[in-house]
Amino acid sequence: EDQVTQSPEALRLQEGESSSLNCSYTVSGLRGLFWYRQDPGKGPEFLFTLYSAGEEKEKERLKATLTKKESFLHITAPKPEDSATYLCALVRPSGSRLTFGEGTQLTVNP
Amino acid sequence: DTEVTQTPKHLVMGMTNKKSLKCEQHMGHRAMYWYKQKAKKPPELMFVYSYEKLSINESVPSRFSPECPNSSLLNLHLHALQPEDSALYLCASSPYRSGGADTQYFGPGTRLTVL
Repeated sequence: EDQVTQSPEALRLQEGESSSLNCSYTVSGLRGLFWYRQDPGKGPEFLFTLYSAGEEKEKERLKATLTKKESFLHITAPKPEDSATYLCALVRPSGSRLTFGEGTQLTVNP
Repeated sequence: DTEVTQTPKHLVMGMTNKKSLKCEQHMGHRAMYWYKQKAKKPPELMFVYSYEKLSINESVPSRFSPECPNSSLLNLHLHALQPEDSALYLCASSPYRSGGADTQYFGPGTRLTVL
């Protein structure tokens, strides 16, 4: 059975304090791994898709990386507006179902 | 443009009411999805339409009835809901690429409260 585990559940950072969020997964055949950002009461906002181990993608202060067992979302010099829940999800080759992790709630204090 | 729109933003209904949620996308995507999300939990898949045909129904109770009138529109008809159905209902769409990871783009959601 596919499993996605995100850690930590919650993370508090000071503005400018860089850190990483972890997404560990087990799946028989990974088609893609996705990162989303979700603000309270809103729909998830797509950030990145990673397809294969060794791949990296960047967007502003965010950088996502992928290995065969986990993905990291690195946040460099975060700002308060980066506060949100970050969701990791994967899709198998067999279909379009996303398997989500429980998310990491990030709070960046000014 | 990666916009999925949903109406209404908020909906309050009684257990005997009939209401509908609407979702629209103009990205030419051929797959559309309904999700239900409870507080502090990830989205849970309810239904998937691919090429306007229902392809996945995640054993959702019949009080939820999806409809896909055309490739741009997706409705969710609600009838005789229970208070535990109160949640954020999310619509998503994706290109439906065969052989590749299909990125899903989510709408802003409809906050549903059942009294």
